[in-house]
Amino acid sequence: AQKVTQAQTEISVVEKEDVTLDCVYETRDTTYYLFWYKQPPSGELVFLIRRNSFDEQNEISGRYSWNFQKSTSSFNFTITASQVVDSAVYFCALSEASNNDMRFGAGTRLTVKP
Amino acid sequence: DGGITQSPKYLFRKEGQNVTLSCEQNLNHDAMYWYRQDPGQGLRLIYYSQIVNDFQKGDIAEGYSVSREKKESFPLTVTSAQKNPTAFYLCASSRGGSNNEQFFGPGTRLTVL
Repeated sequence: AQKVTQAQTEISVVEKEDVTLDCVYETRDTTYYLFWYKQPPSGELVFLIRRNSFDEQNEISGRYSWNFQKSTSSFNFTITASQVVDSAVYFCALSEASNNDMRFGAGTRLTVKP
Repeated sequence: DGGITQSPKYLFRKEGQNVTLSCEQNLNHDAMYWYRQDPGQGLRLIYYSQIVNDFQKGDIAEGYSVSREKKESFPLTVTSAQKNPTAFYLCASSRGGSNNEQFFGPGTRLTVL
């Protein structure tokens, strides 16, 4: 079965610092999908990005960027010039084409201090 | 407004009582999911349904039951057989398939006293 590891349980930064959230995954499928979600204090998970296993192109969306490297089975998420509103728990998730089971990492709690 | 609603936001029950958590979506999604979230453990899948009148167990289905009589609705019953039911429960929906993102409701925090 697939597995997602987010080794950083909690990260604390000061506003305007850059921060990278790590995600390492395990799968035997050649076709799979990676996701990042944000969970603000309200509790509702918000979808941020999806990547399929055949697309290793990095992506940038405003202050957010994602680095997908199949060689290291990693899908890291960087927030540039962090803001207090970025404070949340961030989850990385993996879904294999061979099943409909999305596996989530344990999450990384990011605190951005003013 | 399209989205997923879960009610209530907070729920308190006495030990030994069954309780049903509501989940409704108006996104016309085929697939719906229930997750349980405990501190520091991420989300764990309880049940999911790809189509009406069909559902499958997830990793931690024991002590829970579901039904999918309508496309829009996927209620979760936490039975008295669930040994540790106090948790945050999240419902999600998607267009189905492993490649589509899931959309989540606001969650229900269940506390069993």
